[in-house]
Amino acid sequence: AQTVTQSQPEMSVQEAETVTLSCTYDTSENNYYLFWYKQPPSRQMILVIRQEAYKQQNATENRFSVNFQKAAKSFSLKISDSQLGDTAMYFCAFMKQTGAGSYQLTFGKGTKLSVIP
Amino acid sequence: NAGVMQNPRHLVRRRGQEARLRCSPMKGHSHVYWYRQLPEEGLKFMVYLQKENIIDESGMPKERFSAEFPKEGPSILRIQQVVRGDSAAYFCASSPDRNYYEQYFGPGTRLTVT
Repeated sequence: AQTVTQSQPEMSVQEAETVTLSCTYDTSENNYYLFWYKQPPSRQMILVIRQEAYKQQNATENRFSVNFQKAAKSFSLKISDSQLGDTAMYFCAFMKQTGAGSYQLTFGKGTKLSVIP
Repeated sequence: NAGVMQNPRHLVRRRGQEARLRCSPMKGHSHVYWYRQLPEEGLKFMVYLQKENIIDESGMPKERFSAEFPKEGPSILRIQQVVRGDSAAYFCASSPDRNYYEQYFGPGTRLTVT
């Protein structure tokens, strides 16, 4: 079974600064997908960024980028120019296609990020 | 294009009652996933359904929980004889087909069992 570990339960960052959230995962698969989701106080799950394991290039979405190290099974999220609206829980998630044909997401326990004005 | 809709957003049930949670996928999506989020935890997979079929229920508790996705209408997650440990946020996500890996989440239903 896959596991996803987020070792930082809480983090804080000054507005406009940069912060990196860590994520490691354990799998024997070669083909899979990795995601970062944001969950603000509204509890809505919002996709921040995704990475296909077969792609060597790190994904980037505006102020959000990842550092994907496949051999180390590491998938960290960097948020640049932090904004107050970035305050939320951030979940790292792993996905692969199961034998039953579904794409199950396996989530870490989350990192609570607070952006300080 | 409306997103994934879930209702009710909040549901309070007494121990022993039944809870019914509804999920309407995005327009054009025929695949639904249900996840449960216990307090201070990440989401955990419960079940994956297509219209009229349960494809993967490996994450569903063996008793009291059931799910359906009829040909017409929303997907329903049903919890019979609720207990306090069922208190959680329940999320559904939809995708357009089996081979599309990105899932679009609804806002969740927060179930409180008193």
